[in-house]
Amino acid sequence: QVQLQQSGAELAKPGSSVKISCKASGYTFTSYYISWIKQTTGQGLEYIGYINTGSGGTNYNEKFKGKATLTVDKSSSTAFMQLSSLTPDDSAVYYCARGVRVMDAWGQGASVTVSS
Amino acid sequence: DIQMTQSPSFLSASVGERVTLSCRASQNINKYLDWYQQKLGEAPKLLIYNTNNLHTGIPSRFSGSGSGTDYTLTISSLQPEDVATYFCLQRNSWPYTFGAGTKLELK
Repeated sequence: QVQLQQSGAELAKPGSSVKISCKASGYTFTSYYISWIKQTTGQGLEYIGYINTGSGGTNYNEKFKGKATLTVDKSSSTAFMQLSSLTPDDSAVYYCARGVRVMDAWGQGASVTVSS
Repeated sequence: DIQMTQSPSFLSASVGERVTLSCRASQNINKYLDWYQQKLGEAPKLLIYNTNNLHTGIPSRFSGSGSGTDYTLTISSLQPEDVATYFCLQRNSWPYTFGAGTKLELK
């Protein structure tokens, strides 16, 4: 069955970076884009952007340009999101999801906590 | 960005009751509206896409309707397993934007 397995929780210091992974299985990885979504209690759900897993092409929400960098490794069917220059506002649960027009499978979420 | 307003924020209903959740967009979104269900501690799960298309495996008690700026998710007969928060998502304009959610509880 289709599965997206995300990396574990991260505790990071302000100003540092983290890289979250999303390993796909159960389908042809390059046949679907991967989307990334941020969830916080205060801001709710925010769409960060998506990546074409075949070409590596990306589209970012303007709000997350310079903050998030999306990449893929086709050889391991894994998508990555790097978050840089972390601040407490980046503390959230981050989800990867299969697809863009229809996000029909989601990872379990990766919690990022930014604290000194 | 298109603003999505969901109402009510909280809803308490009884098992078997018909439940209606609303989502209003700040401009016409041409039926590019999806509904997601999120249970406590889980990832969101797709219920309905493009206003009224039921995703595979979703019970037929869920249905969607709407056009223009106003959209509705209906649960025809509420079941205990439907306790969750429901989010709408517009995909008409980039960036795609979510509503703040309706938290549905059992009375």
